[in-house]
Amino acid sequence: GAGVSQSPSNKVTEKGKDVELRCDPISGHTALYWYRQSLGQGLEFLIYFQGNSAPDKSGLPSDRFSAERTGGSVSTLTIQRTQQEDSAVYLCASSLMGRTNSPLHFGNGTRLTVT
Amino acid sequence: GESVGLHLPTLSVQEGDNSIINCAYSNSASDYFIWYKQESGKGPQFIIDIRSNMDKRQGQRVTVLLNKTVKHLSLQIAATQPGDSAVYFCAEIPNTDKLIFGTGTRLQVFP
Repeated sequence: GAGVSQSPSNKVTEKGKDVELRCDPISGHTALYWYRQSLGQGLEFLIYFQGNSAPDKSGLPSDRFSAERTGGSVSTLTIQRTQQEDSAVYLCASSLMGRTNSPLHFGNGTRLTVT
Repeated sequence: GESVGLHLPTLSVQEGDNSIINCAYSNSASDYFIWYKQESGKGPQFIIDIRSNMDKRQGQRVTVLLNKTVKHLSLQIAATQPGDSAVYFCAEIPNTDKLIFGTGTRLQVFP
């Protein structure tokens, strides 16, 4: 596709359940990022991939959060034992090179609601 | 309903006027800056970027100004249109790969 694609666009889950969020970056983009945006807040960095490796995981809030990327393309963000404070919009972005050479292009996000 | 920034600073401008959105960044080591526009229910959309070796860059109807002395970034939108209504974020990269976002400013355009 032409842009970053995220699925599902909306997810409602019960507290304690696990969820998987998917991101398809722009073809050829080597860098992939996950951000979280809570209501009334800015964007909070979660994790960054360069290819399949994650040199920066510093933003993951707890060990309930994990992410992987395979084939240098699709990434999944997994949240285990979801809590109500996990409710937010999870945004994925990709960039061509991943360093200070190219801007990040964002998908429209997955809105996660934990009930 | 509101999906972004219930308590964001708001700039209200009349259609056709110029808009100036300001941003103070935090890290003097930042060498790349980006402005994003975010409409309700959508992801941030790239508007314009600037590197630290420049102090001004122009796009179509937009200009970004960078003042490294006071760590200040501004976005100027000429002849503001209703479609410009959105939340605007500045973002910096402090010589790492991690884009750090500011808190955002809501731009409201009224006729």
